[in-house]
Amino acid sequence: EPEVTQTPSHQVTQMGQEVILRCVPISNHLYFYWYRQILGQKVEFLVSFYNNEISEKSEIFDDQFSVERPDGSNFTLKIRSTKLEDSAMYFCASSVEGRRTTNEKLFFGSGTQLSVL
Amino acid sequence: GEDVEQSLFLSVREGDSSVINCTYTDSSSTYLYWYKQEPGAGLQLLTYIFSNMDMKQDQRLTVLLNKKDKHLSLRIADTQTGDSAIYFCAERGSSYKLIFGSGTRLLVRP
Repeated sequence: EPEVTQTPSHQVTQMGQEVILRCVPISNHLYFYWYRQILGQKVEFLVSFYNNEISEKSEIFDDQFSVERPDGSNFTLKIRSTKLEDSAMYFCASSVEGRRTTNEKLFFGSGTQLSVL
Repeated sequence: GEDVEQSLFLSVREGDSSVINCTYTDSSSTYLYWYKQEPGAGLQLLTYIFSNMDMKQDQRLTVLLNKKDKHLSLRIADTQTGDSAIYFCAERGSSYKLIFGSGTRLLVRP
């Protein structure tokens, strides 16, 4: 069964460093998402991406965050200058369509655990 | 704003039924989801229900939706030790994003 893959599974970085989290969505999917889960807290929406642009973002997704689909398969989340509070599990997800009136299943990857020291 | 609430913990004996409950606030919810998260793993989509339905059954899983009370439940029949995990309720409302609950940790005792 097709799945969303994320690399690396664990990333340790120093505060202030840039990190790039990578995702390969399911191949025929059109919408891509990043969510994060701080330890012990809810899974939170960060951003959705469609047709090579951001379609929605949360207040968490500030200027330190950016997303890119550099080629036909990868979808990346960049954090320019990491802070301690960015430590979390980051989940990538993809879906075929995002319109409310259509059947939409969101499939998640296994996550990248980011630890900022 | 939009919010989803779940009880934090449920313990059942193997072979019994489990019922995990969820409440949400967004009256414009269109789809409601149940995801399962096993230790060290991602979020696995278990099942979902469209907001104009009140019940959906899929093998051992039964989803009940009371739209008037904004209450969603997941029943797992004949619960097995492999069902031990965290179960997340999520709703999709007026935008593309999912709003998740805090998750219910299900412990299945032998």
